[in-house]
Amino acid sequence: KQEVTQIPAALSVPEGENLVLNCSFTDSAIYNLQWFRQDPGKGLTSLLLIQSSQREQTSGRLNASLDKSSGRSTLYIAASQPGDSATYLCAASGTYKYIFGTGTRLKVLA
Amino acid sequence: KAGVTQTPRYLIKTRGQQVTLSCSPISGHRSVSWYQQTPGQGLQFLFEYFSETQRNKGNFPGRFSGRQFSNSRSEMNVSTLELGDSALYLCASSQQGAEKLFFGSGTQLSVL
Repeated sequence: KQEVTQIPAALSVPEGENLVLNCSFTDSAIYNLQWFRQDPGKGLTSLLLIQSSQREQTSGRLNASLDKSSGRSTLYIAASQPGDSATYLCAASGTYKYIFGTGTRLKVLA
Repeated sequence: KAGVTQTPRYLIKTRGQQVTLSCSPISGHRSVSWYQQTPGQGLQFLFEYFSETQRNKGNFPGRFSGRQFSNSRSEMNVSTLELGDSALYLCASSQQGAEKLFFGSGTQLSVL
């Protein structure tokens, strides 16, 4: 049974810092891994999707890596801004479904 | 291009009632999946539909059911509501089911 864990659960950093969010999963037989952002009371927005055959994906200040053999993914946010404050969730794909981690609540202080 | 639309945005029901939630996917998307989000359990998979067929189902009691119509719109139904059903119910669509997911804003269900 796939289990997804995210560490840390919460993070508070000053504006401008580079930061890393961690995601681990127990079953390496995944199709892909996605990182999402969720603002309070809202739905999720997909940030990056890494196919199982890929090692990383980049979009602007965001970079996500995937290491299937160790069951780990990281989301790197460069030069953080107050607008980055949100909950970040990773999700590992199974058969026509995603298993979500519990998220990292990020607060970027101005 | 319109995003994923969920209605209603908020619902208040009492125990024992039933409720139907609606989801309209992005045009051209044939896969619709449903998730329940609670503070204690996080996001949990309910079920996924593709071309009117349920392809996968999560570990929820039979009170939770869904369906998909020929235009890819989907509904989920919860019968005999319990207090623990209070949650944000999220719908997501994708083209085939195993790629980038697009989420709606969700339906916040409160059971009193």
